[in-house]
Amino acid sequence: EKVMTQSPATLSVSPGERATLSCRASQSVGGNLAWYQQKLGQAPRLLIYGASTRATGIPARFSGSGSGTEFTLTISSLESEDSAVYYCQQYNDWPPVTFGGGTKVEIK
Amino acid sequence: EVQLVESGGGLVQPGGSLRLSCVASGFAVTNNYMSWVRQAPGKGPEWVSTTYSSGDTYYADSVKGRFTTSRDNSKNALYLQMNSVRADDTAVYYCARKRGDHHWCFDLWGRGTLVTVSS
Repeated sequence: EKVMTQSPATLSVSPGERATLSCRASQSVGGNLAWYQQKLGQAPRLLIYGASTRATGIPARFSGSGSGTEFTLTISSLESEDSAVYYCQQYNDWPPVTFGGGTKVEIK
Repeated sequence: EVQLVESGGGLVQPGGSLRLSCVASGFAVTNNYMSWVRQAPGKGPEWVSTTYSSGDTYYADSVKGRFTTSRDNSKNALYLQMNSVRADDTAVYYCARKRGDHHWCFDLWGRGTLVTVSS
């Protein structure tokens, strides 16, 4: 089973600044990686799949990059509504799919 | 409206049973790969099971032999029968739909139902 490790655990960013979140896989997952946003009390929402493709309706300020074992989610200009926990998920090795432990993005 | 609505969660004693329901609107459960994903308090999501459109189901090792998924096509619903529950089964249980292509990620989630296992 592939283990997904996210860093940092918490990220505090001012509105308008860039937020960079990292996700590392214990073994290569190719480009088979997704990112989700989860706001307090809500279900996760798919942001990115295939490491870099935005899901339907996701704003362009969200972008994903990486392949193999190292991945990045970037929020180019943080807005207050982006305060949430972000999770990565690999699906190269099915079953199971596995999720990371999350990065909490706080607004300064 | 395309949505998933879970129900059936609650407090259950260790060793007990519970059945969760997930009713879909706006699309057919039978035409999609449907999953249960759970999330323990303060933790990341954990995949539990996936039912293919064929009806074949795969389970996480942590629930294999204890949990069973079924479908009711007439109600457009998915169920999770949880038996021999343990304290570490405590979580919010989400019903989720896999994307309709080769990407094994989830493009639609319900709001979840909380299961608490405690004596």
